[in-house]
Amino acid sequence: SQTIHQWPATLVQPVGSPLSLECTVEGTSNPNLYWYRQAAGRGLQLLFYSVGIGQISSEVPQNLSASRPQDRQFILSSKKLLLSDSGFYLCAWSVAGVPDTQYFGPGTRLTVL
Amino acid sequence: AQSVSQHNHHVILSEAASLELGCNYSYGGTVNLFWYVQYPGQHLQLLLKYFSGDPLVKGIKGFEAEFIKSKFSFNLRKPSVQWSDTAEYFCAVNAGPSGSARQLTFGSGTQLTVLP
Repeated sequence: SQTIHQWPATLVQPVGSPLSLECTVEGTSNPNLYWYRQAAGRGLQLLFYSVGIGQISSEVPQNLSASRPQDRQFILSSKKLLLSDSGFYLCAWSVAGVPDTQYFGPGTRLTVL
Repeated sequence: AQSVSQHNHHVILSEAASLELGCNYSYGGTVNLFWYVQYPGQHLQLLLKYFSGDPLVKGIKGFEAEFIKSKFSFNLRKPSVQWSDTAEYFCAVNAGPSGSARQLTFGSGTQLTVLP
């Protein structure tokens, strides 16, 4: 069966520091991968999605970037964190095809101080 | 662009009460509809989904949802809630051109609190 991992589970970082959040999927090949941010009372906002290695689409302009160095690895990064980057970050995967259902990881709680 | 509205931000019910959570979406084309649930301290997980066919969809734990195309709605229902149903519920819409990584648009969520 497929599983999705995210780490770290929680992270506290100072403003201006770099960020790297990792997401890996097991048990499937060539998944679509997604990064979301969940803000209290505002649901989930799609940040990036990827349909293959090196293929990244950004949904909103922001201080973050994403990369997909391997088929089942998706990384969310920042060179310099802002206070507004604090939030709960969720990675998700889906089977490539139509229609697809997305399955979510456990998330990373990021606090920028 | 598609959007999803969940008008109830916080619902408080007693055990055995009936539940209906509203979800309306805006998108003129073919949509796939989802309800996700996030129990305290747990992953966001799929409750049920609608792709096509019977507009009344049954999901896990006794939940069901009805797709009413004319009303652009996909309301979630459960005849009798339990304390363990306390969670946050998210409606989501998936639309876009075939073959793309179809993106989910989420509602803002409804926090359900069931009192024992």
